[in-house]
Amino acid sequence: AQSVTQLGSHVSVSEGALVLLRCNYSSSVPPYLFWYVQYPNQGLQLLLKYTSAATLVKGINGFEAEFKKSETSFHLTKPSAHMSDAAEYFCAVSDLTGANNLFFGTGTRLTVIP
Amino acid sequence: NAGVTQTPKFRILKIGQSMTLQCTQDMNHNYMYWYRQDPGMGLKLIYYSVGAGITDKGEVPNGYNVSRSTTEDFPLRLELAAPSQTSVYFCASSYPGRGNEQFFGPGTRLTVL
Repeated sequence: AQSVTQLGSHVSVSEGALVLLRCNYSSSVPPYLFWYVQYPNQGLQLLLKYTSAATLVKGINGFEAEFKKSETSFHLTKPSAHMSDAAEYFCAVSDLTGANNLFFGTGTRLTVIP
Repeated sequence: NAGVTQTPKFRILKIGQSMTLQCTQDMNHNYMYWYRQDPGMGLKLIYYSVGAGITDKGEVPNGYNVSRSTTEDFPLRLELAAPSQTSVYFCASSYPGRGNEQFFGPGTRLTVL
């Protein structure tokens, strides 16, 4: 079965510091992986996705993620945090059907300290 | 394009009442989804549809029903509301095929008292 695990429900970083949000996946086949961001009282917005092309994926707002098959990981990083990055971040994996259903992790709330 | 729109934004129901959450998309997406989001639990799939007239159950379908008579609309029906259905509900849509981005609506916050 497809699943993802996000380590750390809350992460705090100082403004300008590195952001690292962790995601590990479980999949019986090469996975399709996603990172979504949710700002307060809003819906989810796609940051980036991995669909079996380049293992280093660049997304919006300076975020990137690296697919590592040996570690079954897809961690999200940003070199320098901005106050506007404060939000909740969700990792997700696509299911094996053609319906493009997603299984989400439990989310990581990022706080940026001025 | 308005994208994915949901109504209402907020609703309070009494136990046993029924209601329909509306979802409309104007991107001509074949695929549509309903999720619920509970604190600390991420999003769970309730129902999905791969086209008009075709619906199927997700992870947590009990207590809900859906229909898909048009490409644009995918309403979610709650029958006999229970406190366990207190949640934030999100509708999403995508183009066909695994790996495509899902576009999310702004959500409906439902409280059942």
